[in-house]
Amino acid sequence: KQEVTQIPAALSVPEGENLVLNCSFTDSAIYNLQWFRQDPGKGLTSLLLIQSSQREQTSGRLNASLDKSSGRSTLYIAASQPGDSATYLCAVESGSQGNLIFGKGTKLSVKP
Amino acid sequence: SQTIHQWPATLVQPVGSPLSLECTVEGTSNPNLYWYRQAAGRGLQLLFYSVGIGQISSEVPQNLSASRPQDRQFILSSKKLLLSDSGFYLCAWSRVGNQPQHFGDGTRLSIL
Repeated sequence: KQEVTQIPAALSVPEGENLVLNCSFTDSAIYNLQWFRQDPGKGLTSLLLIQSSQREQTSGRLNASLDKSSGRSTLYIAASQPGDSATYLCAVESGSQGNLIFGKGTKLSVKP
Repeated sequence: SQTIHQWPATLVQPVGSPLSLECTVEGTSNPNLYWYRQAAGRGLQLLFYSVGIGQISSEVPQNLSASRPQDRQFILSSKKLLLSDSGFYLCAWSRVGNQPQHFGDGTRLSIL
């Protein structure tokens, strides 16, 4: 059974700092891995999707990497801003069509 | 561009009452549709997904049901709500074939 773990559960950093969020999964047989952002009381915003054959994806200040064989992904945020404060969720797609298995998220707080 | 709508945004219902949550997608055709639940302290869990009109797959046994009466409409229902049905319900859509999922703003359901 696929399990997704995100470490740390919460992170507080000063503005301008570069940071890394970690995600690990137990079964390497995945179709893709997705990173989402969730603001309090809101739905999820898709940030990046990495196909199983890819190693990384970039969007603006965000870079996500995938090491499928070791079951790990990282989300790198460069030059963090207070507007980056949110919960970041990692999810892997495996098994049934479209069935995303989510981690519990990392709650990020960027202090001005 | 594509948009996804969920309503209502919040709902307070007594135990034993019925439930109907609606989700519609605009700007695309034949999307895959999903219902997720996010319970307090737990990760997002896929409840139902649909690859076409009238085609519903359930991931977990539960007190809820789903229907897809039209291509871009997805409904989550219950005949009698339980306290354990409380949570944040999210609808999502994706294009067919290893594509990112896009989420609505969610419905916060409280059962009294």
